[in-house]
Formats: sequence, C-alpha cells, structure tokens
Amino acid sequence: AQTVTQSQPEMSVQEAETVTLSCTYDTSESDYYLFWYKQPPSRQMILVIRQEAYKQQNATENRFSVNFQKAAKSFSLKISDSQLGDAAMYFCAYRYGQGAQKLVFGQGTRLTINP
Amino acid sequence: GAGVSQSPRYKVTKRGQDVALRCDPISGHVSLYWYRQALGQGPEFLTYFNYEAQQDKSGLPNDRFSAERPEGSISTLTIQRTEQRDSAMYRCASSLGLWSGSPDTQYFGPGTRLTVL
Repeated sequence: AQTVTQSQPEMSVQEAETVTLSCTYDTSESDYYLFWYKQPPSRQMILVIRQEAYKQQNATENRFSVNFQKAAKSFSLKISDSQLGDAAMYFCAYRYGQGAQKLVFGQGTRLTINP
Repeated sequence: GAGVSQSPRYKVTKRGQDVALRCDPISGHVSLYWYRQALGQGPEFLTYFNYEAQQDKSGLPNDRFSAERPEGSISTLTIQRTEQRDSAMYRCASSLGLWSGSPDTQYFGPGTRLTVL
C-alpha cells in the first residue's frame, strides 16, 4: 500500500523568509502524481502545486516550488518570500496514475508565519 | 464557476441516529470522491464514483456507511446508527475524470463537520 509521511508536525518561519516542508512517500509504481494542498484556518482544502512523476522538471507556481527526488521518493515544498496568508496546515498527497484515483494524504505540517 | 458545495456545513446528532450528508460537485465533473478527516489528521479516502457508478468503496469503515450518486451528479453519504467515533469532517471532492488528461486534479468542498453526541 502507498504511504505518505510528513515528518514535521509543525514549522515556523519569519515573514519574507523561505521555508521548506518535507514529504516522503512509499510506492512501487512508476506512474503517479504528487500534490501539495493547503488548509487555512477556514479548513478549506486548496491545491497549491502538483507534480507528475514522469516529469523531471520540478513544478513551480509563483512563490511555491517543489524539489522532486524520484529515486529518493521525496517531494518537498519550498515557499519563498513567506507571507502571513501562507499560515496553514499543508498536506502532501499521492495519487496512483492509472485506475483508482484516490488521494493518499500525509499527516500534515502546521506552518506558522512570524511577523 | 461555482465550486464543490456540501450541506449541511455542520451537523450535530445523537448516537444511534442516521445522518445524510450531501455533495454537489462542480458542473461537468465526472468523478466524485468522499473523504473523512479527523482533527489534526490528513483526509482519508472513503469511496468514489465515476458518473453514477461506485468505483471503489474500500475506504468505507463498515456497513453503516453507504454512498450513492443516482444521477451522476449530486451524491449522498449516509451513516446509519451513528456512533461517537464517527465524529469528523466529511469532505467531498470532484474532478473532470480520467479522460481529462493528467493529473485530473481533485477540487474539495468546504466539508461537513459531524458531531455525534
């Protein structure tokens, strides 16, 4: 079974600084997708960024980028120029590429932004 | 356009009662998913549909839980004879479907917070 592990229950960063959230996963599949979702205090689930496993290039969305290390099964999220609105729970998620489409989530990392 | 909507947003019920949670997906989305999220944890998969067909219900914890999507749009998750351990946030998500091309992103609704007294 696929598993996703986020080893940092909590992280904090100074406003305008850069922070990296860690995620590792375990799978025997070669075709899959990885996601980072943000859950602010409103408890909405908002997609931050996604990565296809077959792509070597790391995904980037404005201030958010990933470091995808397929061999190491690592998928970290880097937030540059942190803003107060970035404070949230961040969940890493895995989806098998074919057939079943369920998302498997990690336990989450609570990110605090210090002004 | 409108996102995924869920109702009610909050539900308080007494142990032993049945509850029905509703999900209205994004218009045109073929696939619909149900997840359960305990406080401080990530969402856990319950079941999903393509159109009206339930494709995978492996995450439903027991036979008190059931889901349907009779017309391929709105879905209802029903919990019979609720127990205190059923208290959680129940989230619905929808996506265009497999043939939309990778990675078929799931978009989540606001959730229904269920409290069983």
